[in-house]
Amino acid sequence: GNSVTQMEGPVTLSEEAFLTINCTYTATGYPSLFWYVQYPGEGLQLLLKATKADDKGSNKGFEATYRKETTSFHLEKGSVQVSDSAVYFCALSGPSGGYNKLIFGAGTRLAVHP
Amino acid sequence: NAGVTQTPKFQVLKTGQSMTLQCAQDMNHEYMSWYRQDPGMGLRLIHYSVGAGITDQGEVPNGYNVSRSTTEDFPLRLLSAAPSQTSVYFCASSPGEVLQETQYFGPGTRLLVL
Repeated sequence: GNSVTQMEGPVTLSEEAFLTINCTYTATGYPSLFWYVQYPGEGLQLLLKATKADDKGSNKGFEATYRKETTSFHLEKGSVQVSDSAVYFCALSGPSGGYNKLIFGAGTRLAVHP
Repeated sequence: NAGVTQTPKFQVLKTGQSMTLQCAQDMNHEYMSWYRQDPGMGLRLIHYSVGAGITDQGEVPNGYNVSRSTTEDFPLRLLSAAPSQTSVYFCASSPGEVLQETQYFGPGTRLLVL
């Protein structure tokens, strides 16, 4: 079945450091891929998404590219801020599992200190 | 615009008790779903609904019931709570069934079963 694997956290960085959070997936066909962010005490928010191979999703300085050849969707940011401290979830939907069901990775906690 | 609201925010139950977690959205979204979030496991889909009167099971449906009598509301019922149901529960909605559209999450309900 479909699955998502993320790098384990926590990831601890200094402000202005470069961020990479690895995400790989297993799925048949061409799923849609997402990154969600959960700030402390809040629900999840969509950060970015990509719906086909080689698409790049971007938002708030974060980027991720849908790589079919490596089945990956790594999240990157060039210069993190303290306000980026949160838990980040990689997720996919469809096609074999249905486009109405999200499959999440375990989440990666990011802590950014001044 | 309230978005997705959930009540209560926190609940303590004894084993065998029943309760209903409430979820409401004011965006006229057809698709609604319930997830549970457990440490190290990301979010897992419990039940979902593609419209009023239509519900289906997700990945972990056992011990939970749902109904969808209106577009706005999607309550989750625990008929006989068990300690294994201690978790954080999130409700989500999106405009349509195909999840390339953004899914909006509520703030969550933290449930402790003793």
